[in-house]
Amino acid sequence: NAGVTQTPKFRVLKTGQSMTLLCAQDMNHEYMYWYRQDPGMGLRLIHYSVGEGTTAKGEVPDGYNVSRLKKQNFLLGLESAAPSQTSVYFCASSWTTYYNEQFFGPGTRLTVL
Amino acid sequence: SQQGEEDPQALSIQEGENATMNCSYKTSINNLQWYRQNSGRGLVHLILIRSNEREKHSGRLRVTLDTSKKSSSLLITASRAADTASYFCATDSGTYKYIFGTGTRLKVLA
Repeated sequence: NAGVTQTPKFRVLKTGQSMTLLCAQDMNHEYMYWYRQDPGMGLRLIHYSVGEGTTAKGEVPDGYNVSRLKKQNFLLGLESAAPSQTSVYFCASSWTTYYNEQFFGPGTRLTVL
Repeated sequence: SQQGEEDPQALSIQEGENATMNCSYKTSINNLQWYRQNSGRGLVHLILIRSNEREKHSGRLRVTLDTSKKSSSLLITASRAADTASYFCATDSGTYKYIFGTGTRLKVLA
């Protein structure tokens, strides 16, 4: 039981490049989330999904796209990376939101030059 | 904008002392959760308190919730060096998502 895993752990991109971050969970959770964490800002929700095939925007969705084709996977895409997207990205999952904890992955540290 | 704001931003105490951190939020909530984050790691859930609860305990952790003041506090008793971490509150307003605060950085000195 690996919990929530994220791939890759580190990545350096040049401005304008694209990439996809992969999140996988083996707990059969319905809900999945992508956050970014910046110094002094706490965690901010980018996008989330309440079930396979569904996605919704969070607080800071601009510049990102997501897909949830399989229940266990939640992909975060950057089509044209910008230096402002330099951050640590965390994926999380939960059964639902009501009275349920979120389980977090270890994070992906992304630097955009 | 952040729903939760933790106070203080940073706290340094001696091992064995108690640590108290506070969280204030803006809108009504269904529940509030506290998470811990060790340096360079993901967040780990500590405790959840529902809006109709006033106090909850888990081991050395004590959480209180005052919905009239829109605030919560986390007390860690008899702190240990291993408690050194950042602590975040997260609120659920019933919109399928949690809003996290900016965190309190706790340092416990041995």
